[in-house]
Amino acid sequence: DAKTTQPNSMESNEEEPVHLPCNHSTISGTDYIHWYRQLPSQGPEYVIHGLTSNVNNRMASLAIAEDRKSSTLILHRATLRDAAVYYCILKSGYSTLTFGKGTMLLVSP
Amino acid sequence: EAGVAQSPRYKIIEKRQSVAFWCNPISGHATLYWYQQILGQGPKLLIQFQNNGVVDDSQLPKDRFSAERLKGVDSTLKIQPAKLEDSAVYLCASSPWATDTQYFGPGTRLTVL
Repeated sequence: DAKTTQPNSMESNEEEPVHLPCNHSTISGTDYIHWYRQLPSQGPEYVIHGLTSNVNNRMASLAIAEDRKSSTLILHRATLRDAAVYYCILKSGYSTLTFGKGTMLLVSP
Repeated sequence: EAGVAQSPRYKIIEKRQSVAFWCNPISGHATLYWYQQILGQGPKLLIQFQNNGVVDDSQLPKDRFSAERLKGVDSTLKIQPAKLEDSAVYLCASSPWATDTQYFGPGTRLTVL
């Protein structure tokens, strides 16, 4: 499985934008980049995914580098509720999700 | 739309005892997954069902873990006998046929003493 590298933790202030990086230098042409997050004491929840172009939804934006070797999850205005572990996962076809340790995002009021 | 339901939410047992977890996926979801999440780590897939057939159980410790999905709806995961290292959160997830997005339940936290 292609692997991803994420910082162990990041900090942000409430109402500020947050940029969560993910490196995936061995990504293949068929790998989609998926992001899930896990709030405390809950199961993971889907955030966003993309292949080549930048993607936006109501939760976040996903910026994908032109060479696809890195991507950034953007939370436009962090809230206390966004404090969670964020997982960047590469997934191809019907392969399963392989979670790493993710990035723990701490949000201060 | 109701989410993925799991029970119990918490379970404490002694080593060598047996335990079972139950999962009811989102209605209409063909694919069901069981994950194990040890403290400080990401979830690890144990088994994947497509309807009531097993698609992937390569990481399921089959000497002590078993799972079934009768009638292609709800599922049970059993551990017999439990070991100390089985202490973890057991997560169930489901997804519609041929889609990438998985929907997770709240998990069952198992403590083995």
